[in-house]
Amino acid sequence: DTAVSQTPKYLVTQMGNDKSIKCEQNLGHDTMYWYKQDSKKFLKIMFSYNNKELIINETVPNRFSPKSPDKAHLNLHINSLELGDSAVYFCASSQGTSGGDEQYFGPGTRLTVT
Amino acid sequence: GNSVTQMEGPVTLSEEAFLTINCTYTATGYPSLFWYVQYPGEGLQLLLKATKADDKGSNKGFEATYRKETTSFHLEKGSVQVSDSAVYFCALRMRGWGKLQFGAGTQVVVTP
Repeated sequence: DTAVSQTPKYLVTQMGNDKSIKCEQNLGHDTMYWYKQDSKKFLKIMFSYNNKELIINETVPNRFSPKSPDKAHLNLHINSLELGDSAVYFCASSQGTSGGDEQYFGPGTRLTVT
Repeated sequence: GNSVTQMEGPVTLSEEAFLTINCTYTATGYPSLFWYVQYPGEGLQLLLKATKADDKGSNKGFEATYRKETTSFHLEKGSVQVSDSAVYFCALRMRGWGKLQFGAGTQVVVTP
């Protein structure tokens, strides 16, 4: 019954490694997002996909690459992990891109890079 | 560019006290405004929203009114409970392909 799910919930890895975070939504939504929450709780959009097409790509290092195999999934792959990548990453989805559309958030993935 | 400013926390209150969290925004155009809440260890949940000027959003005893003249969307609750302890985020979203832009978040701690 989970609307937006993410795996894994926790991810601890070493600098230089490559890792992926998966996101799935069962709400039938067309649009999905990745947000990063830093240690001070500040939230910032990273990417957004609408019907599997990239529509928002903020200033994010190109070590981060989103992939949307279908409308229900948006994965985030990170190459050559750095200490500064440690954060909580949230996936979200919404029905469309209208200003009033509610975004539903996943539980987050806490990434720790050592 | 567009931005959201909200009061810094933590805000510490006793149970049954009145809560106000100030939020102001800067935007070119007319955004939709949101309050999200994040309970410890969880993701964000939409608390309430307003999509045009003078709209009032309300949920679970919380209220906020979209004030275009003061570019504000202050969150209020008349009587808080310990279970309201969380981080509250004010956010805006422009029409079209607009992303959610968040304020810095305000931690609220309610003590018995």
